[in-house]
Amino acid sequence: AQTVTQSQPEMSVQEAETVTLSCTYDTSESNYYLFWYKQPPSRQMILVIRQEAYKQQNATENRFSVNFQKAAKSFSLKISDSQLGDTAMYFCAFMGLNTDKLIFGTGTRLQVFP
Amino acid sequence: NAGVTQTPKFRVLKTGQSMTLLCAQDMNHEYMYWYRQDPGMGLRLIHYSVGEGTTAKGEVPDGYNVSRLKKQNFLLGLESAAPSQTSVYFCASSYSLGLAGKYNEQFFGPGTRLTVL
Repeated sequence: AQTVTQSQPEMSVQEAETVTLSCTYDTSESNYYLFWYKQPPSRQMILVIRQEAYKQQNATENRFSVNFQKAAKSFSLKISDSQLGDTAMYFCAFMGLNTDKLIFGTGTRLQVFP
Repeated sequence: NAGVTQTPKFRVLKTGQSMTLLCAQDMNHEYMYWYRQDPGMGLRLIHYSVGEGTTAKGEVPDGYNVSRLKKQNFLLGLESAAPSQTSVYFCASSYSLGLAGKYNEQFFGPGTRLTVL
């Protein structure tokens, strides 16, 4: 069975600085998808970025980028130029190639300070 | 286009009471899902449906039932609520896989906060 682990329950960063959130996962599959979701205080789940395991190039979406290390089964999220609106829970998630089931980590609460 | 909506947004039940949570989507998605979110545990899949009239168990199905009588609606029922079912419930929907391995984004509703006393 696949598992997703986020070892940082809470993180904080000052506005305009860079922060990296960690995620590791375990799977026997060779092809899959990985995601980072953001959950602000409104509770809405928002897809931040996704990575296809068969692509070597790390995904980037504006200030958000990932460091995908397939051999190490590591998938970290880097937020550059942090903004107050980035304050939220961040969830790492895994999806196998032939299934629509998302497996979530336990989340990291990020606080951005002025 | 409302996306995924959930009714109600908040509910308080007493132990043993029953209730139904309604999820509706207007994106013509085939797949629909129910998750629960508990502190320190992330989101866990309760039940899901791959089409009208079909349902399947997820990771934590005990104590819940579901029905998908119409493509746009997915109902989650609690027949006899227990305090352990106090949680935030999320519904999501997506297109079907289509070609094997084709990714389809899951769209989430705003959640329902349920408290069982």
